Amino acid sequence: AQKITQTQPGMFVQEKEAVTLDCTYDTSDPSYGLFWYKQPSSGEMIFLIYQGSYDQQNATEGRYSLNFQKARKSANLVISASQLGDSAMYFCAMRGGWDKIIFGKGTRLHILP
Amino acid sequence: NAGVTQTPKFRVLKTGQSMTLLCAQDMNHEYMYWYRQDPGMGLRLIHYSVGEGTTAKGEVPDGYNVSRLKKQNFLLGLESAAPSQTSVYFCASSSPGRGDGELFFGEGSRLTVL
Repeated sequence: AQKITQTQPGMFVQEKEAVTLDCTYDTSDPSYGLFWYKQPSSGEMIFLIYQGSYDQQNATEGRYSLNFQKARKSANLVISASQLGDSAMYFCAMRGGWDKIIFGKGTRLHILP
Repeated sequence: NAGVTQTPKFRVLKTGQSMTLLCAQDMNHEYMYWYRQDPGMGLRLIHYSVGEGTTAKGEVPDGYNVSRLKKQNFLLGLESAAPSQTSVYFCASSSPGRGDGELFFGEGSRLTVL
């Protein structure tokens, strides 16, 4: 069975600091993918970054990077130089067997000026 | 660019009534998903489809039915609505063969069951 765990319900971070949002997963599938999404207060879901289980390097997209530690089954999102606009809900998600995609409960990030 | 469109955006039902949420995508995606979002629970997968005419259960399928008669449409039905089904419903689609296979989401449908 697939499982995604986000252990930080909420975080407060000072503007311009780096942020790490935790995500651990569990799956028995040898091939899987990990995603991060952002949901601002307006409600839309915004895709941030993707990591495949066989990718050798950690994924990066602008200020976002995914710290993928396969042996630990973790896929933490790192946001460098945080901005006020980064305040939002962040979800980790996993595609596993039969292309089922499940989400964690999310972390609400507050960036302080 | 329409992308993923959900209809209706808002709906209020009485307990026991039925309704259907429509999801339409114009990106020719093979896969479509229905999620519900509740405070503190994240997004939970209700049902999904990996192709026209096929559906599969997700994490919380009870009380819902789905149909995928056309590739571009994915319908979510509530036969007898209950207050526990008050939620925001999101439809999403993807095509694993393109890009990262990420989900493209609709804007959400807010359903209240009284």
